[in-house]
Amino acid sequence: AQSVAQPEDQVNVAEGNPLTVKCTYSVSGNPYLFWYVQYPNRGLQFLLKYITGDNLVKGSYGFEAEFNKSQTSFHLKKPSALVSDSALYFCAVRDGDGGATNKLIFGTGTLLAVQP
Amino acid sequence: GAVVSQHPSWVICKSGTSVKIECRSLDFQATTMFWYRQFPKQSLMLMATSNEGSKATYEQGVEKDKFLINHASLTLSTLTVTSAHPEDSSFYICSARDMRGGRQPQHFGDGTRLSIL
Repeated sequence: AQSVAQPEDQVNVAEGNPLTVKCTYSVSGNPYLFWYVQYPNRGLQFLLKYITGDNLVKGSYGFEAEFNKSQTSFHLKKPSALVSDSALYFCAVRDGDGGATNKLIFGTGTLLAVQP
Repeated sequence: GAVVSQHPSWVICKSGTSVKIECRSLDFQATTMFWYRQFPKQSLMLMATSNEGSKATYEQGVEKDKFLINHASLTLSTLTVTSAHPEDSSFYICSARDMRGGRQPQHFGDGTRLSIL
């Protein structure tokens, strides 16, 4: 079965410093991986995805993620954190072959707190 | 970009009331929509997969008679919480994916905060 793990409940970083939010995955077949962000009392916003191709994926708001097949990881990164990046971040893997009915399986989420 | 609209955003009602939540895809068609439930400081729990023109597929442990899903068109799915009780209070989120599938991501509504008194 497909699964993702986010080992950190919370990540604290100072504004201007680089940030990393970790995610590891377990899949059978090719992984379809996603990062979403959730602000308080809001739904999830799509940040970026890895389907195939370059291992470094660039997404919204200056975020990027590196797909590492040997380490089965898909860590989310940003070179310089902003206070406004403080939110809950979810890693997800798509269950199945990419059809429209395939559901997403989410990690437990990581709360990112950026201090001024 | 793709937008999913969810309404209402916030509901407070008495125990025993039935509450309907709407999820609309605004600029794409979706044969499949998903309904999630989220408890405070927890991840999203998939409740059911809504299929246009057919019955929804419920996840294990989710009562289909309690959470009625109707997906009558390619842009609208509704979730009705029947005879709601305080334990049904939660944050409900829908999502939809362009029916063309492939590399399209799921897009989420802004959620509905349901509070049962």
